[in-house]
Amino acid sequence: DGGITQSPKYLFRKEGQNVTLSCEQNLNHDAMYWYRQDPGQGLRLIYYSQIVNDFQKGDIAEGYSVSREKKESFPLTVTSAQKNPTAFYLCASSVTRQGNTEAFFGQGTRLTVV
Amino acid sequence: GENVEQHPSTLSVQEGDSAVIKCTYSDSASNYFPWYKQELGKRPQLIIDIRSNVGEKKDQRIAVTLNKTAKHFSLHITETQPEDSAVYFCAASGTPFAGYSTLTFGKGTMLLVSP
Repeated sequence: DGGITQSPKYLFRKEGQNVTLSCEQNLNHDAMYWYRQDPGQGLRLIYYSQIVNDFQKGDIAEGYSVSREKKESFPLTVTSAQKNPTAFYLCASSVTRQGNTEAFFGQGTRLTVV
Repeated sequence: GENVEQHPSTLSVQEGDSAVIKCTYSDSASNYFPWYKQELGKRPQLIIDIRSNVGEKKDQRIAVTLNKTAKHFSLHITETQPEDSAVYFCAASGTPFAGYSTLTFGKGTMLLVSP
């Protein structure tokens, strides 16, 4: 528990505005992820980054953007192009040891579009 | 890419009963299968995992089984307690790339244990 911090916990946004969700980790993990969690939908992968200055689209990347300028930080921007942005967003980092990948999650940010 | 199916989506049991959650995966190259538990309002946390060279793994009241031929794995909880109530996610580790793997999650199972 701990080691990966998301902020803020709750976020309200007006339609048409971009908003950036913060994710910071001090676990020295190379890989970081953003998931979106909706009721009945489980965890859907938005973007992931396996190393600094590189990131890949996940299953639902449309309307989102990320950057990975530092190992510790992987901010997610929800753009106005995202049609249904109200959701719970989870950031995670992972470490792979001997073929086992363990993910550590932040506490999440609940975004509401008003 | 990998696709993980998880069933059932909700599961209600009486305290003391057993609970079983099943997952199937599509990528035969996947070789690592963790399970996460998410209590209400909290973050998902790893509770048990299994690798493809093992058929079963136990940790007190929880166990995971893997059938690599059929590409399915299951979580078994015995003697369920109210504090077991949570959402459980299975996951499969995708094809490693340069030493890194990504995790694909199932849609989750909400387990409700009634006293």
